[in-house]
Amino acid sequence: QKEVEQNSGPLSVPEGAIASLNCTYSDRVSQSFFWYRQYSGKSPELIMSIYSNGDKEDGRFTAQLNKASQYVSLLIRDSQPSDSATYLCAVTNSGYSTLTFGKGTMLLVSP
Amino acid sequence: DAGVTQSPTHLIKTRGQHVTLRCSPISGHKSVSWYQQVLGQGPQFIFQYYEKEERGRGNFPDRFSARQFPNYSSELNVNALLLGDSALYLCASSLGTGGVGNQPQHFGDGTRLSIL
Repeated sequence: QKEVEQNSGPLSVPEGAIASLNCTYSDRVSQSFFWYRQYSGKSPELIMSIYSNGDKEDGRFTAQLNKASQYVSLLIRDSQPSDSATYLCAVTNSGYSTLTFGKGTMLLVSP
Repeated sequence: DAGVTQSPTHLIKTRGQHVTLRCSPISGHKSVSWYQQVLGQGPQFIFQYYEKEERGRGNFPDRFSARQFPNYSSELNVNALLLGDSALYLCASSLGTGGVGNQPQHFGDGTRLSIL
């Protein structure tokens, strides 16, 4: 059973702080990793993808991947109240693009 | 450019009925996947279709079926509805089905299905 684990939170950070979201996965053949943001009552929105070990930066977002530790994280710098949402970690293997999701971490950014 | 479109947005059914949900992928995307999301959980994979062929099936009963049409749109059918089928049903499209970098899936707004 392939599993993706996330702390359900909520993770509370003040405005302007760095939010750190973590995810571990069980399937060692996983090759592609994604972070989705989901606002309450809305559908998931892709915000980051990462495929190789190391860091990938896009604006205020940085994804970090460590395949040896089966660990992927998302850093959000200068957090804003509009970042308050549930963040879903998802992984795929090389065979198909079907996503296995974690349960999501709720992030609350207070003004 | 239009994103993934799903219809209807909301649906109320009673136990035992059947339902058909529809999805149109992003232009140029040939793969469509269906996910079920119950409250407080991450989306759970139901089906993937590529070029009208089923490429993957999640752990759902045979009451769930799907198909993809020549224009790459897709339908999800659920028969003999149960209370536990109440969920947000999400459709996602992607360019292909495999290969690193070819896989990012983009979701539609979903269909919220309520079973009474």
